[in-house]
Amino acid sequence: KAGVTQTPRYLIKTRGQQVTLSCSPISGHRSVSWYQQTPGQGLQFLFEYFSETQRNKGNFPGRFSGRQFSNSRSEMNVSTLELGDSALYLCASSLRTDYYNEQFFGPGTRLTVL
Amino acid sequence: AQKITQTQPGMFVQEKEAVTLDCTYDTSDQSYGLFWYKQPSSGEMIFLIYQGSYDEQNATEGRYSLNFQKARKSANLVISASQLGDSAMYFCAMREGPNFGNEKLTFGTGTRLTIIP
Repeated sequence: KAGVTQTPRYLIKTRGQQVTLSCSPISGHRSVSWYQQTPGQGLQFLFEYFSETQRNKGNFPGRFSGRQFSNSRSEMNVSTLELGDSALYLCASSLRTDYYNEQFFGPGTRLTVL
Repeated sequence: AQKITQTQPGMFVQEKEAVTLDCTYDTSDQSYGLFWYKQPSSGEMIFLIYQGSYDEQNATEGRYSLNFQKARKSANLVISASQLGDSAMYFCAMREGPNFGNEKLTFGTGTRLTIIP
């Protein structure tokens, strides 16, 4: 069974640009969550999507947005990039049931903002 | 207040020895889940083990076990017979509330484990 995939793996952008990151969950998983990892702030929850609906949102500005498609694939968009947006962006997928508890992460997209 | 506290920024352990990574948590929910993840230098987060707040027995997965002490709000990870490949960052994380309702994980700051040959 294929794991969580994220594309692209590396990105270099300049301030003010926008970027779109993609995440394909494990087959059968309908929940996708996004996290930002930086040396200063650690791992922080961005948002979660389930059945094409945002179910939960972290404390990030509106420049960070996402969506989920009917095949459960998810995209995350960051507009008007700032230097502080440089980070490893991780997505995780899960079955989101009341008895299955594992969340599996992808390899991440490393974003550098110059 | 920190919801997840990992007090050991770094640890050095001799190969084949057992190692305990500390994690304490803070929540007012009765239903919650605790996770441990391993993050090698490649960056991918690898799921290791899960403990539910209502689970009466400590979780075990191969060489990993979780020492769950609910009254003390601690969920320490124990790795038996450490191997060189265990060198990585280890994160403790918590999901609050019932399983079906919240997938948000709150992570600790991590412990960098280095296994010495």
